[in-house]
Amino acid sequence: LAKTTQPISMDSYEGQEVNITCSHNNIATNDYITWYQQFPSQGPRFIIQGYKTKVTNEVASLFIPADRKSSTLSLPRVSLSDTAVYYCLVVRTGGSYIPTFGRGTSLIVHP
Amino acid sequence: EADIYQTPRYLVIGTGKKITLECSQTMGHDKMYWYQQDPGMELHLIHYSYGVNSTEKGDLSSESTVSRIRTEHFPLTLESARPSHTSQYLCASTAAGTGKEKLFFGSGTQLSVL
Repeated sequence: LAKTTQPISMDSYEGQEVNITCSHNNIATNDYITWYQQFPSQGPRFIIQGYKTKVTNEVASLFIPADRKSSTLSLPRVSLSDTAVYYCLVVRTGGSYIPTFGRGTSLIVHP
Repeated sequence: EADIYQTPRYLVIGTGKKITLECSQTMGHDKMYWYQQDPGMELHLIHYSYGVNSTEKGDLSSESTVSRIRTEHFPLTLESARPSHTSQYLCASTAAGTGKEKLFFGSGTQLSVL
């Protein structure tokens, strides 16, 4: 399964747009890109998932270029409550896929 | 919102005690997972199940055991707790065959072994 690489940490300020990029050079044709958010002392929560181009929901946008070797999670106008760890996962559809989490990106939003 | 529950939320016990961490989901999901996570670190898979009477060990060696007698229930047991077992334990589930493997997590059990 494709290994993912993302920054260990990021800092931002309230009201700014935050973009977190994840690289997955060995992504396969039937793999999806999924992002999770985790607050301290809680389990991760699904944010968004995509296969190619752009996906948007009420929480975030996900941009995936044509070669699919990277993806960017975009959080518009962050607030203090967006301070969390964000995980990028490459998900293989069906079969015996085992979800594997890396260390994620720790985002700290400052006042 | 996800319907997956873990109890207890917090547990402090002495060394040598036997404990069971409970995990239940009401979504009818076939696949269930147990992860262990230390502060600031990644999630490590310790056990998983693809359905009733199916259990497998994950990547991280663990002295715990699991059972899957009913679809909705996936308890984790430590026969003799040690301080090295102090950690957060997270249970998750997903529907098999959906193709996109969206995980639902419980709130976790924070275990402290003295």
